[in-house]
Amino acid sequence: QTVVTQEPSFSVSPGGTVTLTCGLTSGSVSTSYYPSWYQQTPGQAPRTLIYNTNIRSSGVPHRFSGSILGNKAALTITGAQADDESAYYCALYMGSDIWVFGGGTKLTVL
Amino acid sequence: QLQLQESGPGLVKPSETLSVTCTVSGGSIITSYYWDWIRQPPGKGLEWIGSVHYSGSTYYNPSLKSRVTIYVDTSKKQFSLKLSSVTAADTAVYYCARHWLDRSKPFDYWGQGTLVTVSS
Repeated sequence: QTVVTQEPSFSVSPGGTVTLTCGLTSGSVSTSYYPSWYQQTPGQAPRTLIYNTNIRSSGVPHRFSGSILGNKAALTITGAQADDESAYYCALYMGSDIWVFGGGTKLTVL
Repeated sequence: QLQLQESGPGLVKPSETLSVTCTVSGGSIITSYYWDWIRQPPGKGLEWIGSVHYSGSTYYNPSLKSRVTIYVDTSKKQFSLKLSSVTAADTAVYYCARHWLDRSKPFDYWGQGTLVTVSS
């Protein structure tokens, strides 16, 4: 069974740039997986950041961007701010109307 | 503004069936969207459980498929999840959400979630 992989944790300095990735234990992520990214703060429901690889959801700051880097989907935060400290989840379309979420990355801004 | 609100029992005994319902307000359930259940065990990540279309078509996570039923009641603007033979591993916050039939679009609306604890 293919698993969606994310870094468990990451740290970035305020104003810095960080790239979180979303991969597969078997195979490469491409645009055909329609990767999307969600931000979640403790006690809250997830919020959509990016969908269809690189389209920002309404109201999402331009410092968030999505792409394919090598064989993974990627979420880049350019100019990280304190309130970007959250958990970030990717979701991939696996075919046959099946979706899989990654395990999430806990981002610390310090 | 579309709103999704989960409701459930809060506590379920092991081996019993967990039932949670999502009520849709501020919009129609008879639309070109799928209605989803997603769960999150305490301190862990998100897991997609499955989805239903207002027509009744369903799609399930293969790892849960044998225990899951999702169905829709359009007259009540509700969709529901039943998960049978639960164990402590099914303790989680259960979210309802919506995603587009167009798979390039995201899960764009989420409920606030309801915690269901499996314990005797």
